[in-house]
Amino acid sequence: SYELTQPPSVSVSPGQTASVTCSGDNLGDKYVSWYQQKPGQSPVQVIYQDRKRPSGIPERFSGSNSGNTATLTISGTQAMDEADYFCQAWDISTVVFGGGTKLTVL
Amino acid sequence: EVQLVESGGVVVQAGESLRLSCAASGFTFDDYTIHWVRQAPGKGLEWVSLISWDGGTTYYADSVKGRFTISRDNSKNSLYLQMNSLTTEDTALYFCAKDAAKRIVVGGDFDYWGQGTLVTVSS
Repeated sequence: SYELTQPPSVSVSPGQTASVTCSGDNLGDKYVSWYQQKPGQSPVQVIYQDRKRPSGIPERFSGSNSGNTATLTISGTQAMDEADYFCQAWDISTVVFGGGTKLTVL
Repeated sequence: EVQLVESGGVVVQAGESLRLSCAASGFTFDDYTIHWVRQAPGKGLEWVSLISWDGGTTYYADSVKGRFTISRDNSKNSLYLQMNSLTTEDTALYFCAKDAAKRIVVGGDFDYWGQGTLVTVSS
């Protein structure tokens, strides 16, 4: 079965750039979406189709996908961005999520 | 405003059955594929199942295939998940999530999520 691999944790200082990666075989051939989940809340989509931002998502969120790795980049990270982030892609007719990355802003 | 409201989560014994519901509003329900996604306590997201806008196509994760059945009633704007032969591994918060694009089955992504309903399976 297809697997997406994320680092369990990433730390970033306020105002700096955070990068969260998601790896999978030939992932660049698939569309990747990213979801933010804060404690006790439902996931919120922050990136879809590799690099598109839904309405209401700040411009500091961006995405890329090439080769075997997709990356969520948060520029000028703010304390409010501290959350778990999950990547998502499709494997034929099933949805696959990455294991999630806890982003700490400190 | 799009709303998805799950219900039906309770504490059950292993081997028992349970039916979850998801009530949708704020969008044309019968234009969209809807998914169930679950999250075990302290763990990541796990996709469970999807049903196409017309109910004609369903897919399941291997972990639930043969035990869970997804269905929908477009006249009631509602989604269901019948869960049989539950095990402790099924303990999780169950979310329904709406596909972002109209009338596609695979390849989409999730633009709205419910708040989840908690299923606890005790041994």
